[in-house]
Amino acid sequence: AQRVTQPEKLLSVFKGAPVELKCNYSYSGSPELFWYVQYSRQRLQLLLRHISRESIKGFTADLNKGETSFHLKKPFAQEEDSAMYYCALRISNYQLIWGAGTKLIIKP
Amino acid sequence: GAGVSQTPSNKVTEKGKYVELRCDPISGHTALYWYRQSLGQGPEFLIYFQGTGAADDSGLPNDRFFAVRPEGSVSTLKIQRTERGDSAVYLCASSPLGLQNTGELFFGEGSRLTVL
Repeated sequence: AQRVTQPEKLLSVFKGAPVELKCNYSYSGSPELFWYVQYSRQRLQLLLRHISRESIKGFTADLNKGETSFHLKKPFAQEEDSAMYYCALRISNYQLIWGAGTKLIIKP
Repeated sequence: GAGVSQTPSNKVTEKGKYVELRCDPISGHTALYWYRQSLGQGPEFLIYFQGTGAADDSGLPNDRFFAVRPEGSVSTLKIQRTERGDSAVYLCASSPLGLQNTGELFFGEGSRLTVL
């Protein structure tokens, strides 16, 4: 079955601490994964995609096919990182399957 | 230009009533998607349009739900005989084509539907 799991509904860390938001997937094909973010009172938007191997706002995510994971990491959290984060898996030319999301709170 | 626009932003209705939710995608985007997001969940796929036609409506939960995009731009999601379980945020997204190039969806701010 195709599935995206984000095991943490809420993650709270202090400013300056490292952050890791977990995402695991189940998919029989070649996975293509994304992280989307929704800041308070803003719309859902793309943060990064694994095929680009890019760092956006200090965040990186590495696809680990052996562990079927795509965890989002940032070495030093900032208060403006507080948001809802969603992991998504592309299963066709138009369909994404989404995790339930993790609310990240950065404490001052 | 402007991003994806959805109206109304909030809709409160009574059980059994008919509701229409409108989405105006980014100009030039041929692909349009409707998602439903319930509290504490990620977006759930409802329907995908490529141009004017519904290429995949397999996510619509039942025949009370219907969506149109008659001119390949604005889309309307229609819900008949609303039920309390229909309460959710309905998200619209668009993209230049499908997901095969960048995989990026451009979302609207959503329409929050509450069925009393």
